[in-house]
Amino acid sequence: QSVLTQPPSVSAAPGQKVTISCSGSSSNIGNNFVSWYQQFPGTAPKLLIYENNKRPSGIPDRFSGSKSGTSATLGITGLQTGDEADYYCGTWDSSLSVGVFGGGTKLTVL
Amino acid sequence: EVQLEESGGGLVQPGGSLRVSCAASGFTFSNYGMSWVRQAPGKGLQWVSGISGSGYSTYYADSVKGRFTISRDNSRNTLYLQMNSLRADDTAVYYCAKALREGIINPFDCWGQGTLVTVSS
Repeated sequence: QSVLTQPPSVSAAPGQKVTISCSGSSSNIGNNFVSWYQQFPGTAPKLLIYENNKRPSGIPDRFSGSKSGTSATLGITGLQTGDEADYYCGTWDSSLSVGVFGGGTKLTVL
Repeated sequence: EVQLEESGGGLVQPGGSLRVSCAASGFTFSNYGMSWVRQAPGKGLQWVSGISGSGYSTYYADSVKGRFTISRDNSRNTLYLQMNSLRADDTAVYYCAKALREGIINPFDCWGQGTLVTVSS
């Protein structure tokens, strides 16, 4: 059971927008930056969003992040079939001094 | 170009030991915290352990504390994970991951390709 809670799956049509939620607590999301990762089957994860809402170089602005209190959200607009992947939120837990991830959300672009 | 390359995975019996390594290049290794993250077959990501750039500070998930040891050799630009008393539920792909900025442990802006550790008799 993951420390951070994500929906197991989300889906939307091409061109539409989808959001993925990530819920935690005051010891993790509430007091630390949140990051988001994209993972395709059989490959290593890739950093999509860091420090709640910043995008590394090369990540299109279709991907966005936000945080409020002990929850964070990843948004993806203009969905493409190539966005079908697993998405994970992650942060640090200050009370436990450990890294934590959400259980992952599988995005299906119908 | 930043590169991370894991090695050392394989099949080990329950109760056995294994050391996986991660060779780093393309950045000043000693300035960055590093972590090991694992992924069991068909499961999500699990952070396992992290280490500061100097190696002075180390951190472990409860599930591996006392059994795994993270270390680094900054002269060789290499990260290690010594795994003892291995159990079936340690079976996973083990990724090494580099911290985004100097002086922190996470988030991770570069990942290796992973090395598979299988614990089975």
